[in-house]
Amino acid sequence: DVKVTQSSRYLVKRTGEKVFLECVQDMDHENMFWYRQDPGLGLRLIYFSYDVKMKEKGDIPEGYSVSREKKERFSLILESASTNQTSMYLCASSSNRGRDSQFFGPGTRLTVL
Amino acid sequence: GENVEQHPSTLSVQEGDSAVIKCTYSDSASNYFPWYKQELGKRPQLIIDIRSNVGEKKDQRIAVTLNKTAKHFSLHITETQPEDSAVYFCAASRGTGFQKLVFGTGTRLLVSP
Repeated sequence: DVKVTQSSRYLVKRTGEKVFLECVQDMDHENMFWYRQDPGLGLRLIYFSYDVKMKEKGDIPEGYSVSREKKERFSLILESASTNQTSMYLCASSSNRGRDSQFFGPGTRLTVL
Repeated sequence: GENVEQHPSTLSVQEGDSAVIKCTYSDSASNYFPWYKQELGKRPQLIIDIRSNVGEKKDQRIAVTLNKTAKHFSLHITETQPEDSAVYFCAASRGTGFQKLVFGTGTRLLVSP
């Protein structure tokens, strides 16, 4: 069974702080994703990684960066958190084998004060 | 860019009724269309998917139909039950690769006993 875990369920940070959100998957998936979920806007792709050290910008990368130093771990970084980054952040992973869809983590609800 | 429109945004039905959620996509190269269910406070989970080489797929009370010419696809839930209450997201692959998805904005389904 695929397990995707995220480092925190809830996080409260102050404006200007550097924030790290971490995601770990245990199924040797090649692809990992970070989404932001806001009411009425669905899931919007922030960044995508298809291999270690490889990344692609998604639809809303501004204000975010990512790091993938190991295959199982994908980190989302908010260099200087702002109040408009208050949101639910979802990590997902998928495999290139078997053509499976994406499996999601439980989400991190980030509040920036 | 790629876009997926999803309707309705909310849907209320009585237990036992059918529910239909419709999506329209913009990228004619899209070839993979998953549907996710997200219960309150939980992660999105894949419930059914369809690939462009078939027009319909069923799994017990759930079915998905695809009209590639019109770029429409729909989720049909028959004999709805209160536990079907959730937010449902449609998605379409970005181009012919199935790794990256663009999501609809979600439909909140409420099934009343």
